[in-house]
Amino acid sequence: EDQVTQSPEALRLQEGESSSLNCSYTVSGLRGLFWYRQDPGKGPEFLFTLYSAGEEKEKERLKATLTKKESFLHITAPKPEDSATYLCAVRLDSSYKLIFGSGTRLLVRP
Amino acid sequence: DAGVIQSPRHEVTEMGQEVTLRCKPISGHNSLFWYRQTMMRGLELLIYFNNNVPIDDSGMPEDRFSAKMPNASFSTLKIQPSEPRDSAVYFCASLDRGFLGSGANVLTFGAGSRLTVL
Repeated sequence: EDQVTQSPEALRLQEGESSSLNCSYTVSGLRGLFWYRQDPGKGPEFLFTLYSAGEEKEKERLKATLTKKESFLHITAPKPEDSATYLCAVRLDSSYKLIFGSGTRLLVRP
Repeated sequence: DAGVIQSPRHEVTEMGQEVTLRCKPISGHNSLFWYRQTMMRGLELLIYFNNNVPIDDSGMPEDRFSAKMPNASFSTLKIQPSEPRDSAVYFCASLDRGFLGSGANVLTFGAGSRLTVL
């Protein structure tokens, strides 16, 4: 069965304390791995798409990486405004539908 | 563009009542998805449409749920009769399958409709 698992469920960091979020997947055929950010009361907002092992994408303090079994979202010197739930999703085929993980709730304290 | 527009943002109803959630996708997008989000199960795909045609409704929980897309700019998700376990946030999302530039293959979500069934 296709599965996406995110860890940790929740993460508390001090401002400036770098860390990584994990997304591991067991799927029959990966056609893309997506990272989204979700703020309370809002819909998920797109961050990155990764297509092949070894690929990396960066945006401000965030960097996403991909291997054959997992993806990491690295957060460098986070700020309180980075506090949100980060969702990972995989696309399996040509249908464009995404299967989401349960998310990591990140809290960055000033 | 105003993005994906959903209404109502909040709905409180009593068990047994009919609920209709509405979605206006981004103009030009040709695929539309309905997701449900709960604390226990996260984001689950309910159904999706390509060019207004339902392609996969395997995620629809049961016959009480139905979805329609009468034209490219409007879709509804209906629950009849509603039950307390249907309480969740329902998201609509859209994308342009043919777009090959930056942002290709990216689902854009609406702000969601929070449903509470008492």
